[in-house]
Amino acid sequence: GNSVTQMEGPVTLSEEAFLTINCTYTATGYPSLFWYVQYPGEGLQLLLKATKADDKGSNKGFEATYRKETTSFHLEKGSVQVSDSAVYFCALSDRVTGGGNKLTFGTGTQLKVEL
Amino acid sequence: GAVVSQHPSRVICKSGTSVKIECRSLDFQATTMFWYRQFPKQSLMLMATSNEGSKATYEQGVEKDKFLINHASLTLSTLTVTSAHPEDSSFYICSASLLGGAYYEQYFGPGTRLTVT
Repeated sequence: GNSVTQMEGPVTLSEEAFLTINCTYTATGYPSLFWYVQYPGEGLQLLLKATKADDKGSNKGFEATYRKETTSFHLEKGSVQVSDSAVYFCALSDRVTGGGNKLTFGTGTQLKVEL
Repeated sequence: GAVVSQHPSRVICKSGTSVKIECRSLDFQATTMFWYRQFPKQSLMLMATSNEGSKATYEQGVEKDKFLINHASLTLSTLTVTSAHPEDSSFYICSASLLGGAYYEQYFGPGTRLTVT
């Protein structure tokens, strides 16, 4: 079956530090990959996506590259801000299994950015 | 943007009672709604997918008689946990997708924390 593994948090960084949140996946088909973000008290929001190998998704200074050879989709940002404090979820949707709108999530990684 | 609300945000109920959680799409029509639950330090797990006016499709291992889902309109879906037990304590999250929207574009509610005592 499909699964997503992401690093445990919380991750605590100083403002302007470099961020990496690791995500690896297992899928039987050709998944699309996503990062969702959940700010305190709000629902999950789609942050970025990549639908095929070597695609790079980017949004709000965050980016992640779909690496099929390492089955990874690590999230990076060059300079984090306090406002980036949130929980980040890596997810996949596997088109081959017919689950086009069924998302498999990782456990989420809490990011805390301090001044 | 598309907003999804859930009510209540927190609920405590006694073992053996039933509790209903509402999920509403506030500014769009949702043809499909999804219900997830999340245990501490675990992934969001899809419980069921519901389409307006039809029966929900439950994921393997989810008891449909225990978790009743009703999607009576294009803006409202409800999840009723029947005869709740402490092991049902969890964080329940709904999401909704737009008619004609991309399959991955799900709009999530803020979640409902259920505690069964």
